[in-house]
Formats: sequence, structure tokens, C-alpha cells
Amino acid sequence: NAGVMQNPRHLVRRRGQEARLRCSPMKGHSHVYWYRQLPEEGLKFMVYLQKENIIDESGMPKERFSAEFPKEGPSILRIQQVVRGDSAAYFCASSPPQGALAEQYFGPGTRLTVT
Amino acid sequence: SQQGEEDPQALSIQEGENATMNCSYKTSINNLQWYRQNSGRGLVHLILIRSNEREKHSGRLRVTLDTSKKSSSLLITASRAADTASYFCATDARNYGQNFVFGPGTRLSVLP
Repeated sequence: NAGVMQNPRHLVRRRGQEARLRCSPMKGHSHVYWYRQLPEEGLKFMVYLQKENIIDESGMPKERFSAEFPKEGPSILRIQQVVRGDSAAYFCASSPPQGALAEQYFGPGTRLTVT
Repeated sequence: SQQGEEDPQALSIQEGENATMNCSYKTSINNLQWYRQNSGRGLVHLILIRSNEREKHSGRLRVTLDTSKKSSSLLITASRAADTASYFCATDARNYGQNFVFGPGTRLSVLP
């Protein structure tokens, strides 16, 4: 059973470009979470999705950021018109549909560098 | 202080010693989870302890939870150099109006 997959592992974008980060949850998991980790800081929750549904996006910046988890395919975190401050590690986690008692399993992360 | 705040921020010990890290939080929770992150790598889930549990063991790891004090501790016994990493606690309070919150982490260095 493969773990949570994220790609790319490293992404370099120039200011103003778009960044697309992909996350494939573990088999059987229907919940996906995205977190951002700035250098020297802890993780910050961004968004919580189920298939075709955004459950909680309270941690997502209002502008330029969006996330989706379609019926088929991976979850996508999209950052439009990237700025230097978007440089961070973005982690995705998945959990089975057990509500509040489910453990989250993390992917290896995507390191975004904005030049 | 913020929800899910670890203490100390950094800890340096000799191989073979025990390492204790603490986590405090503010709201009621469903569960609390501990994660490890090696430098430049992703997070690894260590232990989940539910709000109705007081203690949990996994190998050399022992986690306690005191909901009356809103605190948890992670004990690593007989530490090894390979335990060098950052350790994060995360609180899951989704039934209480909060989503997952991670603390800033404790950086553990185990010296050979």
C-alpha cells in the first residue's frame, strides 16, 4: 500500500508564474489536508477537502490560492502569480473517512522556491 | 501561547539518555498527535492519543495526555543519534470548532 504521494518534490517558479502541487492520498483515504511550512516554523493548516468538496479552507489565503480534490485524480493546490513569500514546503496529508478520530498520514512534501 | 505549543524549543542530549518534550494547548480536543520531521524531509506520524486516553506506548516512545492541564508529553527512552529531528505535536479539535493545529516544534539533537 503506497503512502501519500506528492509531486513534484521540488518546484522552482519565477515571481508571477503559477505553481501546481499535486497530492495522491493513500488508497482508501477520502480526506485530504494541505499544510504549509515556512522556513524555521511549524506547520500551518491551509485546507481540508473530501472528494469534490471543500470542507474547511479557513487557513487558505483569500487570494491566489485554490485547492480541489476531484472525483478522479489527485488533489491539486494551485498558487497563482507566486511571490517570494510563497516559498515554503507544502505538505499534504490524507486520512480515512473516520471523522475526528482518524490519523493523518503525510506525504514527503513539495518544496516551492520562488525566484 | 498558541494552541499546540511545544516546550522546549530545542533540546540537546547524549546518546542513551531520555528526552522529554512537552506540548500545551488551549481548547478541548478530539485527539493529539505527535510527528517527527528529519531535516529536509516530510513528516512521520509517531503516535495518536485520544482525549479519553492517558498514556500510550510505541517502542521507545511514551506519550501522556492530561486533558485537565491541556498538556501532553513525549518521552523517547534510550535515545539514539538517529532520533535527531524536530518533533511536532498537533491537536485535532474538529468537534470543537478548530481544525488541526501544529506547534512550532522541538528540535532534538542527540549527540553520539
